[in-house]
Amino acid sequence: NAGVTQTPKFRILKIGQSMTLQCTQDMNHNYMYWYRQDPGMGLKLIYYSVGAGITDKGEVPNGYNVSRSTTEDFPLRLELAAPSQTSVYFCASSYSFLAGGNEQFFGPGTRLTVL
Amino acid sequence: AQKITQTQPGMFVQEKEAVTLDCTYDTSDPSYGLFWYKQPSSGEMIFLIYQGSYDQQNATEGRYSLNFQKARKSANLVISASQLGDSAMYFCAMREVPSGGSYIPTFGRGTSLIVHP
Repeated sequence: NAGVTQTPKFRILKIGQSMTLQCTQDMNHNYMYWYRQDPGMGLKLIYYSVGAGITDKGEVPNGYNVSRSTTEDFPLRLELAAPSQTSVYFCASSYSFLAGGNEQFFGPGTRLTVL
Repeated sequence: AQKITQTQPGMFVQEKEAVTLDCTYDTSDPSYGLFWYKQPSSGEMIFLIYQGSYDQQNATEGRYSLNFQKARKSANLVISASQLGDSAMYFCAMREVPSGGSYIPTFGRGTSLIVHP
Protein backbone atom coordinates (compact mmCIF):
# COMPACT_ATOMS: atom_id res chain seq x y z
CA ASN A 1 0.00 0.00 0.00
CA ALA A 2 1.22 3.48 -0.85
CA GLY A 3 -0.87 4.95 1.99
CA VAL A 4 -1.72 8.62 1.49
CA THR A 5 -0.05 10.35 -1.43
CA GLN A 6 -0.04 14.06 -2.19
CA THR A 7 1.04 16.03 -5.21
CA PRO A 8 2.80 18.30 -5.74
CA LYS A 9 5.44 18.34 -3.01
CA PHE A 10 6.27 21.99 -3.55
CA ARG A 11 4.57 24.84 -5.37
CA ILE A 12 5.03 28.57 -5.74
CA LEU A 13 1.97 30.56 -6.75
CA LYS A 14 1.47 34.17 -7.63
CA ILE A 15 -1.24 36.14 -5.87
CA GLY A 16 -4.57 35.51 -7.57
CA GLN A 17 -3.60 32.22 -9.18
CA SER A 18 -5.52 29.02 -8.54
CA MET A 19 -4.40 25.46 -8.07
CA THR A 20 -5.54 22.05 -6.93
CA LEU A 21 -3.68 19.98 -4.37
CA GLN A 22 -4.19 16.29 -5.05
CA CYS A 23 -4.65 13.65 -2.37
CA THR A 24 -5.18 9.92 -2.87
CA GLN A 25 -5.36 7.08 -0.39
CA ASP A 26 -5.39 3.36 -1.13
CA MET A 27 -6.51 2.08 2.27
CA ASN A 28 -10.24 2.24 1.54
CA HIS A 29 -10.72 4.78 4.32
CA ASN A 30 -14.03 6.57 4.41
CA TYR A 31 -12.73 9.59 6.27
CA MET A 32 -10.37 12.10 4.72
CA TYR A 33 -9.08 15.47 5.93
CA TRP A 34 -7.16 18.50 4.79
CA TYR A 35 -5.01 20.42 7.26
CA ARG A 36 -2.71 23.36 7.01
CA GLN A 37 0.32 23.87 9.22
CA ASP A 38 1.73 27.34 9.57
CA PRO A 39 5.31 27.79 10.83
CA GLY A 40 5.65 26.92 14.51
CA MET A 41 2.00 25.96 14.80
CA GLY A 42 -0.09 22.85 15.03
CA LEU A 43 -2.48 21.60 12.40
CA LYS A 44 -5.68 23.37 11.55
CA LEU A 45 -8.48 21.51 9.82
CA ILE A 46 -9.61 23.04 6.54
CA TYR A 47 -12.18 20.53 5.29
CA TYR A 48 -13.04 16.94 5.92
CA SER A 49 -15.13 14.23 4.31
CA VAL A 50 -16.89 11.25 5.84
CA GLY A 51 -17.41 9.48 2.52
CA ALA A 52 -17.78 9.95 -1.20
CA GLY A 53 -20.08 12.84 -1.94
CA ILE A 54 -20.01 14.23 1.61
CA THR A 55 -17.79 17.08 2.72
CA ASP A 56 -17.88 19.57 5.56
CA LYS A 57 -16.00 22.64 6.70
CA GLY A 58 -13.36 22.56 9.34
CA GLU A 59 -11.85 25.37 11.34
CA VAL A 60 -10.34 27.43 8.49
CA PRO A 61 -12.27 26.77 5.24
CA ASN A 62 -12.23 30.27 3.73
CA GLY A 63 -10.42 30.44 0.40
CA TYR A 64 -10.61 26.70 -0.21
CA ASN A 65 -12.94 24.19 -1.78
CA VAL A 66 -13.03 20.42 -1.83
CA SER A 67 -14.81 17.61 -3.58
CA ARG A 68 -15.04 13.88 -2.94
CA SER A 69 -16.30 12.03 -5.97
CA THR A 70 -14.55 8.76 -5.07
CA THR A 71 -13.44 7.07 -1.85
CA GLU A 72 -9.80 7.36 -2.89
CA ASP A 73 -9.48 11.01 -3.92
CA PHE A 74 -9.95 14.23 -1.98
CA PRO A 75 -8.57 17.22 -3.90
CA LEU A 76 -8.25 20.66 -2.32
CA ARG A 77 -8.83 23.67 -4.54
CA LEU A 78 -7.33 27.09 -3.84
CA GLU A 79 -9.04 29.91 -5.68
CA LEU A 80 -7.42 33.34 -5.90
CA ALA A 81 -4.32 32.48 -3.88
CA ALA A 82 -3.30 34.95 -1.18
CA PRO A 83 -0.04 35.26 0.80
CA SER A 84 -1.97 34.15 3.91
CA GLN A 85 -2.33 30.74 2.28
CA THR A 86 1.42 30.15 2.38
CA SER A 87 1.65 27.02 4.47
CA VAL A 88 2.30 23.31 4.47
CA TYR A 89 -0.79 21.33 3.56
CA PHE A 90 -1.38 17.82 4.83
CA CYS A 91 -3.96 15.37 3.66
CA ALA A 92 -4.95 12.55 6.03
CA SER A 93 -7.33 9.63 6.16
CA SER A 94 -8.75 7.30 8.79
CA TYR A 95 -11.14 4.39 9.11
CA SER A 96 -13.59 6.19 11.33
CA PHE A 97 -13.74 9.00 13.81
CA LEU A 98 -16.40 7.33 15.89
CA ALA A 99 -14.44 4.20 16.70
CA GLY A 100 -11.67 4.46 19.19
CA GLY A 101 -8.02 4.23 18.39
CA ASN A 102 -8.31 4.89 14.69
CA GLU A 103 -5.47 7.22 14.07
CA GLN A 104 -5.13 9.40 11.04
CA PHE A 105 -2.64 8.44 8.36
CA PHE A 106 -0.95 11.48 6.88
CA GLY A 107 0.45 12.23 3.48
CA PRO A 108 3.95 13.74 3.13
CA GLY A 109 2.62 17.29 2.77
CA THR A 110 2.67 20.01 0.12
CA ARG A 111 4.71 23.12 0.78
CA LEU A 112 2.93 26.06 -0.84
CA THR A 113 4.30 29.58 -1.14
CA VAL A 114 2.18 32.44 -2.44
CA LEU A 115 4.15 35.48 -3.59
CA ALA B 1 -10.30 28.70 24.84
CA GLN B 2 -7.80 26.25 23.45
CA LYS B 3 -8.93 22.66 23.49
CA ILE B 4 -5.39 21.27 23.52
CA THR B 5 -2.61 23.01 25.39
CA GLN B 6 1.05 22.09 25.15
CA THR B 7 2.87 24.47 27.45
CA GLN B 8 6.43 23.42 26.62
CA PRO B 9 7.59 24.97 23.36
CA GLY B 10 10.94 23.22 23.67
CA MET B 11 12.43 20.41 25.71
CA PHE B 12 15.95 19.05 25.99
CA VAL B 13 16.90 15.60 27.24
CA GLN B 14 20.07 13.59 27.49
CA GLU B 15 20.26 10.44 25.43
CA LYS B 16 19.03 7.35 27.31
CA GLU B 17 17.09 9.42 29.82
CA ALA B 18 13.29 9.60 30.06
CA VAL B 19 11.33 12.72 29.17
CA THR B 20 7.72 13.80 29.71
CA LEU B 21 5.91 16.03 27.26
CA ASP B 22 2.88 17.77 28.70
CA CYS B 23 -0.59 17.97 27.21
CA THR B 24 -3.79 19.23 28.79
CA TYR B 25 -7.16 19.21 27.10
CA ASP B 26 -10.58 20.72 27.48
CA THR B 27 -13.79 18.94 26.60
CA SER B 28 -17.25 18.40 28.02
CA ASP B 29 -17.84 15.24 26.01
CA PRO B 30 -17.64 12.03 28.05
CA SER B 31 -16.27 10.10 25.08
CA TYR B 32 -13.10 11.28 23.40
CA GLY B 33 -9.73 10.08 22.19
CA LEU B 34 -6.28 11.51 22.68
CA PHE B 35 -3.40 11.02 20.27
CA TRP B 36 0.26 11.83 20.08
CA TYR B 37 2.04 12.37 16.79
CA LYS B 38 5.70 12.87 16.01
CA GLN B 39 6.88 15.20 13.26
CA PRO B 40 10.59 14.86 12.47
CA SER B 41 12.45 17.52 10.51
CA SER B 42 11.52 15.71 7.29
CA GLY B 43 7.95 16.88 7.88
CA GLU B 44 5.81 13.77 7.91
CA MET B 45 3.34 13.14 10.75
CA ILE B 46 3.83 9.81 12.50
CA PHE B 47 1.23 8.36 14.86
CA LEU B 48 2.69 7.28 18.20
CA ILE B 49 0.00 6.39 20.71
CA TYR B 50 -3.71 6.60 21.49
CA GLN B 51 -5.73 6.82 24.71
CA GLY B 52 -9.50 6.53 24.84
CA SER B 53 -11.42 8.36 27.54
CA TYR B 54 -12.92 5.10 28.81
CA ASP B 55 -9.67 3.15 28.77
CA GLN B 56 -8.88 1.98 32.29
CA GLN B 57 -5.16 1.61 31.78
CA ASN B 58 -2.60 4.02 30.46
CA ALA B 59 -1.65 3.29 26.87
CA THR B 60 1.83 2.02 26.08
CA GLU B 61 3.59 1.47 22.76
CA GLY B 62 7.19 0.36 23.09
CA ARG B 63 9.16 3.24 24.59
CA TYR B 64 6.11 5.51 24.52
CA SER B 65 3.56 5.64 27.29
CA LEU B 66 0.72 7.99 27.97
CA ASN B 67 0.23 9.27 31.51
CA PHE B 68 -3.54 9.78 31.41
CA GLN B 69 -5.02 11.70 34.35
CA LYS B 70 -8.67 12.14 33.50
CA ALA B 71 -9.63 14.29 36.47
CA ARG B 72 -6.82 16.71 35.66
CA LYS B 73 -7.58 16.49 31.93
CA SER B 74 -3.98 15.75 31.13
CA ALA B 75 -2.45 13.25 28.72
CA ASN B 76 1.30 13.51 29.01
CA LEU B 77 3.59 11.54 26.72
CA VAL B 78 6.48 9.76 28.38
CA ILE B 79 9.41 8.66 26.23
CA SER B 80 11.72 6.27 28.02
CA ALA B 81 15.38 5.76 27.11
CA SER B 82 15.52 8.68 24.68
CA GLN B 83 17.35 8.19 21.41
CA LEU B 84 18.86 10.75 19.07
CA GLY B 85 16.17 9.86 16.54
CA ASP B 86 13.52 11.05 18.97
CA SER B 87 14.48 14.65 18.23
CA ALA B 88 11.35 16.05 16.58
CA MET B 89 8.19 18.06 17.13
CA TYR B 90 5.53 16.26 19.12
CA PHE B 91 1.85 17.07 18.80
CA CYS B 92 -0.97 16.16 21.12
CA ALA B 93 -4.41 15.88 19.52
CA MET B 94 -7.95 15.23 20.67
CA ARG B 95 -10.89 13.75 18.88
CA GLU B 96 -14.29 14.24 20.43
CA VAL B 97 -17.31 12.14 19.60
CA PRO B 98 -19.73 14.66 18.15
CA SER B 99 -23.19 15.02 19.60
CA GLY B 100 -24.53 17.03 16.72
CA GLY B 101 -22.62 19.80 15.00
CA SER B 102 -19.34 19.66 13.18
CA TYR B 103 -16.58 17.32 14.06
CA ILE B 104 -13.28 19.16 14.32
CA PRO B 105 -10.23 17.27 15.55
CA THR B 106 -7.90 19.56 17.45
CA PHE B 107 -4.12 19.63 17.56
CA GLY B 108 -1.91 21.40 20.06
CA ARG B 109 0.88 23.74 18.98
CA GLY B 110 3.51 21.12 19.59
CA THR B 111 6.64 20.67 21.66
CA SER B 112 10.08 20.56 20.13
CA LEU B 113 12.21 17.83 21.67
CA ILE B 114 15.97 17.78 21.26
CA VAL B 115 17.91 14.77 22.43
CA HIS B 116 21.56 15.44 23.31
CA PRO B 117 24.22 12.74 22.96
